[in-house]
Amino acid sequence: DAKTTQPPSMDCAEGRAANLPCNHSTISGNEYVYWYRQIHSQGPQYIIHGLKNNETNEMASLIITEDRKSSTLILPHATLRDTAVYYCIVRVGGGPSSARQLTFGSGTQLTVLP
Amino acid sequence: GAVVSQHPSRVICKSGTSVKIECRSLDFQATTMFWYRQFPKQSLMLMATSNEGSKATYEQGVEKDKFLINHASLTLSTLTVTSAHPEDSSFYICSAEPQGNYGYTFGSGTRLTVV
Repeated sequence: DAKTTQPPSMDCAEGRAANLPCNHSTISGNEYVYWYRQIHSQGPQYIIHGLKNNETNEMASLIITEDRKSSTLILPHATLRDTAVYYCIVRVGGGPSSARQLTFGSGTQLTVLP
Repeated sequence: GAVVSQHPSRVICKSGTSVKIECRSLDFQATTMFWYRQFPKQSLMLMATSNEGSKATYEQGVEKDKFLINHASLTLSTLTVTSAHPEDSSFYICSAEPQGNYGYTFGSGTRLTVV
């Protein structure tokens, strides 16, 4: 699975958009970009994933560059509860028969400030 | 949505004793579950892959005789830390991927403290 690079930490004002970047320059054509977050002392939570098109769900938006070498997770209106470590993970797509583990990097500590 | 339940959430045990951690998929079947370990201020590290009805696959450096994994049904995997030592104190997390869903679901984690 391709390696990812994320900034170690970021701050964001409450109510503003949080934009978390991720570089994955060695990504392969069949690898997806996944985003998870981990609030202190809890298990990771799935946020969103995508292959090459931009994706949006009730939690966030995922913007993937055309060359797929980087992506940005956008939390449109950050709240204090969004303070967490955010992990960008690149992996071959899942599904019932994939049974492939996720490899976690060091992630980005997002702190939402009041 | 898909839920993975993990118990206990916290456990304190004496050095030399064994501790069992359960991981259950509540509303889906999981032929494969993953066990991770996380030390303070570090990222999650995969320990082993639990396979229903067969032996678990351990990552390099993880002692299979110390961390016993049993995946006897499609909804339950257990991790037993045998002869626990203080250095085994950590946050243990399990995960599974529901069928048709490309996002892994994680348990809430177990904080193990060995005294």
